[in-house]
Amino acid sequence: EAGVAQSPRYKIIEKRQSVAFWCNPISGHATLYWYQQILGQGPKLLIQFQNNGVVDDSQLPKDRFSAERLKGVDSTLKIQPAKLEDSAVYLCASSDVQTGSYEQYFGPGTRLTVT
Amino acid sequence: AQSVSQHNHHVILSEAASLELGCNYSYGGTVNLFWYVQYPGQHLQLLLKYFSGDPLVKGIKGFEAEFIKSKFSFNLRKPSVQWSDTAEYFCAVSDNAGNMLTFGGGTRLMVKP
Repeated sequence: EAGVAQSPRYKIIEKRQSVAFWCNPISGHATLYWYQQILGQGPKLLIQFQNNGVVDDSQLPKDRFSAERLKGVDSTLKIQPAKLEDSAVYLCASSDVQTGSYEQYFGPGTRLTVT
Repeated sequence: AQSVSQHNHHVILSEAASLELGCNYSYGGTVNLFWYVQYPGQHLQLLLKYFSGDPLVKGIKGFEAEFIKSKFSFNLRKPSVQWSDTAEYFCAVSDNAGNMLTFGGGTRLMVKP
């Protein structure tokens, strides 16, 4: 079974530029999550999708962050414009909540550096 | 809002020593509890989980955790650690529908051979 795929793995941008991250979840997983993990901290949930609908985006800074999952499969997270404090690893995860497992499977993450 | 506290940020042990990592959470309702592990250079992966039933849960690689509801705790234990257990460990809590997974700050464990 293929895991959660993310790209790019690394990205360096200057502040005020924009950036986009892509995630392809495990096949058949209806629930997709984006997390932000700042160095030395645990992952923080940014947004949760169930198919192509948003379940929770209460911690997404909506003035600069946006995410979509138009066809209920892969997803894109965008930051526009980026700030220095956005430097972090952005993790994508997916789960198949219908099984009652609630286990989230994580991708390798995208390490973003904003200079 | 729920929160998770992990008391130890860094732990250094020798092989064969016993391990206990503390985790406390705050949440007003029924929770699901998890421990995730991240080995060097690898993805976050599930170590064990508690949903209901026996409060002592066993996970992979000899790890176990005990849910003590009265103390809002879910401490991770292993009787005898190995060098290969060197990793970062995260405690996490979600509501009982699996939503709003909240992570603690993590504990970085180093096991000396």
